[in-house]
Amino acid sequence: LAKTTQPISMDSYEGQEVNITCSHNNIATNDYITWYQQFPSQGPRFIIQGYKTKVTNEVASLFIPADRKSSTLSLPRVSLSDTAVYYCLVARRGYGGSQGNLIFGKGTKLSVKP
Amino acid sequence: EAGVVQSPRYKIIEKKQPVAFWCNPISGHNTLYWYLQNLGQGPELLIRYENEEAVDDSQLPKDRFSAERLKGVDSTLKIQPAELGDSAVYLCASSTSGTGERGWAYNEQFFGPGTRLTVL
Repeated sequence: LAKTTQPISMDSYEGQEVNITCSHNNIATNDYITWYQQFPSQGPRFIIQGYKTKVTNEVASLFIPADRKSSTLSLPRVSLSDTAVYYCLVARRGYGGSQGNLIFGKGTKLSVKP
Repeated sequence: EAGVVQSPRYKIIEKKQPVAFWCNPISGHNTLYWYLQNLGQGPELLIRYENEEAVDDSQLPKDRFSAERLKGVDSTLKIQPAELGDSAVYLCASSTSGTGERGWAYNEQFFGPGTRLTVL
């Protein structure tokens, strides 16, 4: 599976838009990009997933350029409660064996200040 | 709908003692995962079950770790004997398997709160 690289930490203020970029240069055709969020003392929680172009849900947007070698998670108007670790992952389509397994890196620790 | 349930939430033991963690996945989820998470790191997969079959246990240290999911529902992860380096959070997750709504293997995993193990 493609290795992902993302910033170790980011700081923001309430009300700002936050963009976290992740690089995955070796992404394969059958891979899709997914983001998880983890608060302290909790397990990770799925945020958003995409294959190409733009995906938007009630929580975030995910922008994926045509070459798919990077992706950007966009959090609109963050609040203090968005302080968490955000993981960018590449997972492979398919079923069986290790396909579909998630490989977590260290993630990006986002700190939102008042 | 109840989420993934894990117990205990916290466990403190002395080294060389055995310990067991229990997980009950979301109803209807036939895929179950056990992860280990060290401080400041992302979760690392230990084992994945499809129903009662362990389909990926390549990262499970089999000399001291074991897991079971006898009826394809709840699962137990055991460490015997525990070592100092086993202190970590043990997370359980579950998901559906097969093709999701979007036409590909949709692997949204639902995580429990974890068990924080401290080995003294």
